[in-house]
Amino acid sequence: KAGVTQTPRYLIKTRGQQVTLSCSPISGHRSVSWYQQTPGQGLQFLFEYFSETQRNKGNFPGRFSGRQFSNSRSEMNVSTLELGDSALYLCASSLAQGIISYEQYFGPGTRLTVT
Amino acid sequence: LAKTTQPISMDSYEGQEVNITCSHNNIATNDYITWYQQFPSQGPRFIIQGYKTKVTNEVASLFIPADRKSSTLSLPRVSLSDTAVYYCLVGGGNQGGKLIFGQGTELSVKP
Repeated sequence: KAGVTQTPRYLIKTRGQQVTLSCSPISGHRSVSWYQQTPGQGLQFLFEYFSETQRNKGNFPGRFSGRQFSNSRSEMNVSTLELGDSALYLCASSLAQGIISYEQYFGPGTRLTVT
Repeated sequence: LAKTTQPISMDSYEGQEVNITCSHNNIATNDYITWYQQFPSQGPRFIIQGYKTKVTNEVASLFIPADRKSSTLSLPRVSLSDTAVYYCLVGGGNQGGKLIFGQGTELSVKP
């Protein structure tokens, strides 16, 4: 079974621009979560989607948004990029069949650099 | 969400057994204990999950005492490739797919 895939793997943007990152979960997984990882703040939860609905949200500004499609694929968008948004963005999927699962499968991440 | 406390770093040598303990004094009745492993520039990888007593799989064992206020991840006979950051997470139940990662334990395995 293919793992979680994320595209692109690397991205360089300038301040003020916006960016869209994509995540394809493991086949059959309906829950997709997004995380930001930086050396200073560590791994931080952004949001989680299940059945095209945002079910949980972390403490990030409104510039960070996401969505999920009917095939469970998910995208996250960051608008008006700031230097501090430079990070590894990780997507994770899980079965989430009624019981909330802490067994999540992470993708390789998208390394975003904002200059 | 229960807060977890782990050692910041640990050193070991190849072939040794490594035990990483995590404290979670405020664990709730329906919380599970989950451990993840992360290599540099990769996403975390699920290692093991348990609720009470002992759980064992092909890579690790998880020991949870009766009061569940702590847990110990045991890695038998570590190798250089086990050098990574290990995270202990507590939660589950109705808390959504929101994993709260602490600072983790940076394990360094030396030859």
